Amino acid sequence: GIQVEQSPPDLILQEGANSTLRCNFSDSVNNLQWFHQNPWGQLINLFYIPSGTKQNGRLSATTVATERYSLLYISSSQTTDSGVYFCAVEPTGANSKLTFGKGITLSVRP
Amino acid sequence: DTGVSQDPRHKITKRGQNVTFRCDPISEHNRLYWYRQTLGQGPEFLTYFQNEAQLEKSRLLSDRFSAERPKGSFSTLEIQRTEQGDSAMYLCASSSSGVGNTEAFFGQGTRLTVV
Repeated sequence: GIQVEQSPPDLILQEGANSTLRCNFSDSVNNLQWFHQNPWGQLINLFYIPSGTKQNGRLSATTVATERYSLLYISSSQTTDSGVYFCAVEPTGANSKLTFGKGITLSVRP
Repeated sequence: DTGVSQDPRHKITKRGQNVTFRCDPISEHNRLYWYRQTLGQGPEFLTYFQNEAQLEKSRLLSDRFSAERPKGSFSTLEIQRTEQGDSAMYLCASSSSGVGNTEAFFGQGTRLTVV
């Protein structure tokens, strides 16, 4: 099946810093989503981005489908950005299920 | 619509007991998924429904697990004869099957602890 690798596995930032989270995948995809998992375990949708670039406030994401990677940018980080960020993909021709990476744990220090 | 809803939020059970979880998807979504997440890992796919039909089951879904979506709306996931290895977060998600947008939305999860 498709492989999804996220890097770096852990990231520590000072409040106000910028960061880039990466997701590599091993096959073509119909769907790519970025999620933030809050401390209570809920997955919060950040972006649905199978290709192209999107922005939402301090967050933006870019997926280059032909090169099989996606990037999530966080600017002017805040302590509330802390948590685990997951990339999940739905392979082309598959049956809509998502395959998740192992996640990136972000800690933003005040 | 308030999003995907799961019940209960937490469940503690003794080994060998049966448990059942419920998921109410976003009302206009015809696809419903169950995932399981263990500590330090990303969610792993268990099964999915399109309307009332169960279209795929993962090999993770042993014979002790069964899922239903009888009227194409809510779904239940039952685990029989629970084992300590079943302790995990069980997540439900829903999406539409429309062309061009199959964005999945997740519920808050049911955290199962088997003692």
